[in-house]
Amino acid sequence: GESVGLHLPTLSVQEGDNSIINCAYSNSASDYFIWYKQESGKGPQFIIDIRSNMDKRQGQRVTVLLNKTVKHLSLQIAATQPGDSAVYFCAEKSDKIIFGKGTRLHILP
Amino acid sequence: SQTIHQWPATLVQPVGSPLSLECTVEGTSNPNLYWYRQAAGRGLQLLFYSVGIGQISSEVPQNLSASRPQDRQFILSSKKLLLSDSGFYLCAWSNLLADPNEQFFGPGTRLTVL
Repeated sequence: GESVGLHLPTLSVQEGDNSIINCAYSNSASDYFIWYKQESGKGPQFIIDIRSNMDKRQGQRVTVLLNKTVKHLSLQIAATQPGDSAVYFCAEKSDKIIFGKGTRLHILP
Repeated sequence: SQTIHQWPATLVQPVGSPLSLECTVEGTSNPNLYWYRQAAGRGLQLLFYSVGIGQISSEVPQNLSASRPQDRQFILSSKKLLLSDSGFYLCAWSNLLADPNEQFFGPGTRLTVL
């Protein structure tokens, strides 16, 4: 079946540096791609989404890039802060949202 | 503003016992409602979703069932829990009036079946 996966289970980044979290997807028919952030012990929180006909979308301190040629999605977080420490899930949506396994972002002081 | 409540926050149950987890949403009407399970170190698995009262779609065959007795109430149940039912259960809602890709998640219930 279709699936959404992530390249790295854990990413460690120095505070103040930029973080790049990657995701590979397999369903070419997905309409949207979405990033969620889940802090420890809490439910996921929507960060940003991107429509399949776009290749870049920017939010507050975050940028999502979509490369449909290689079916790759990334989330860039500028000037990473301690509060960014969480598990980040990519998800794809066609008739429903399918979540990937997540990447844990660890911030180094 | 909209809020979503789940209870209990944590639950320890013996194998074979029944289960009832409740989720309620405030501040919105006709939400789509979802139940997810998250096993340790894994992603979110969609269990059920509902687009209206009494309308339940099951995503995976399992030991669980869901009901929506009221517009903003979603209940996850089991008659007899299995060890494999342990996990973190999350309820979520979405609304077509907002970004349909944005689901708002509750705080979750951590279920341990012994």
